[in-house]
This record gives sequence, C-alpha cells and structure tokens, in this order.
Amino acid sequence: DIQMTQSPSSLSASVGDRITITCRASQDISNYLAWFQQKPGKAPKSLIYDASSLRSGVPSKFSGSGSGTDFTLTISSLQPEDFATYYCQQYNTYPLTFGGGTKVEIK
Amino acid sequence: EVQLLESGGGLVQPGGSLRLSCAASGFSFSTYAMTWVRQAPGKGLEWVSTISGSGGATYYADSVKARFSISRDNSKNTVYLQMNSLRVEDTAVYYCAKGVIGAAGVFDYWGQGAQVTVSS
Repeated sequence: DIQMTQSPSSLSASVGDRITITCRASQDISNYLAWFQQKPGKAPKSLIYDASSLRSGVPSKFSGSGSGTDFTLTISSLQPEDFATYYCQQYNTYPLTFGGGTKVEIK
Repeated sequence: EVQLLESGGGLVQPGGSLRLSCAASGFSFSTYAMTWVRQAPGKGLEWVSTISGSGGATYYADSVKARFSISRDNSKNTVYLQMNSLRVEDTAVYYCAKGVIGAAGVFDYWGQGAQVTVSS
C-alpha cells in the first residue's frame, strides 16, 4: 500500500498569512494526488486534483504543486473560513490512501 | 445540482449487519464510479470501497474485504454498502463520494455522511 505522510500535523497561523502543507508518498504516484478541506462536523470538500488542478468554484488562493512523491498545498492570505483540516489523497493505485491530515488553527 | 444523500446508519451490536444507501441526483449516475469513505471518531479519512459506473468492477480496503459488499442500482440512482460481521472498530461516519470521468479515485462531490456505531 502507498503511505501518505502529511506535515505538519497541525499549525497555527494568523489571518492574512500564507501557509504551506506538505504531503509525501511512499512511492511514485506521478500527479495522481488530490487535496480536501474538512471543517468540524462537515463532509470533506474537494479542492484540488491531479496535484495542481483547482476544482471549479474553489478560490485561487488555494494552489497545489508537486509530482512523484512530494507535493504541497499552499493557501495564500488565510481567511477565517480557511481554518480547517486538510487531507491529501493518492489515486495512483488501490487501495486509495489519505494522509493523516493537517489541522490549521487560528493563532 | 449534484446531491448525495446517505441513509441507513445506526447503532448495531458487534457481529451484526447494516446496509447503507446513498441516493444520488443531479448527474448521469451510471456514468460515474462511486466510493465509500469513512471517518472514525476524531480520526482521519479512510477509503472503504469503490464501484465502477456499470457495477462490473469493485474494490475494497483490506480492513473490510469479505465483510462488506458494495453494489449499485442504476435504475434507482443509488449505491449501497452492505456491512456484515461488524466490529467496534467499524464505528465511523460513512460518506459516499462521486468519482469523475476517467478517474474513479478522484472525488468531486461528497454526501453529508451516515453515522454507524457498533457497540454492545
């Protein structure tokens, strides 16, 4: 199985900050990576697929990059509605696997 | 508008069974793969199972293989998850998610989730 490791597991940031979350795959997954946002008690929301393609309706302050084993999610200018937990997920092979999540909290 | 509505969750004793349903609307259901993902209390997301648009291909996580069965009725725009031999560790919110064309493992829409609690 492909292991997905996210870092950090949590971070504190202020409104207006730019943050970067890292996701590392245990083997090459090309660009078959997605990012999700989840708020407490809510279903995940799809943000990015194919490592860097923004899903329709997702603000351009979200961006993704990377290929192979190393990927990043960047959020420019954090807003109050961006404080949530973020997950990466590989879909290169079954079983599909998620990273452990990164909780973004208000400083 | 795409909508996914899960139902069938509840409290069940260890060793029991439960069937989840996910009713879909707003898209051509039979064209898309559908997936179940679960989230245990306070934990991250775990992929459970995926079924192709035709229903001809199914995939399972090792943790549920031989106990869970995914199916779909394209005439009813519904995907199911039959869960047998339930264990305490199966306690979670179960989400259904819609795939995209050409990539069953890419999800664009998620349901609101169904709570499954396995406890004596």
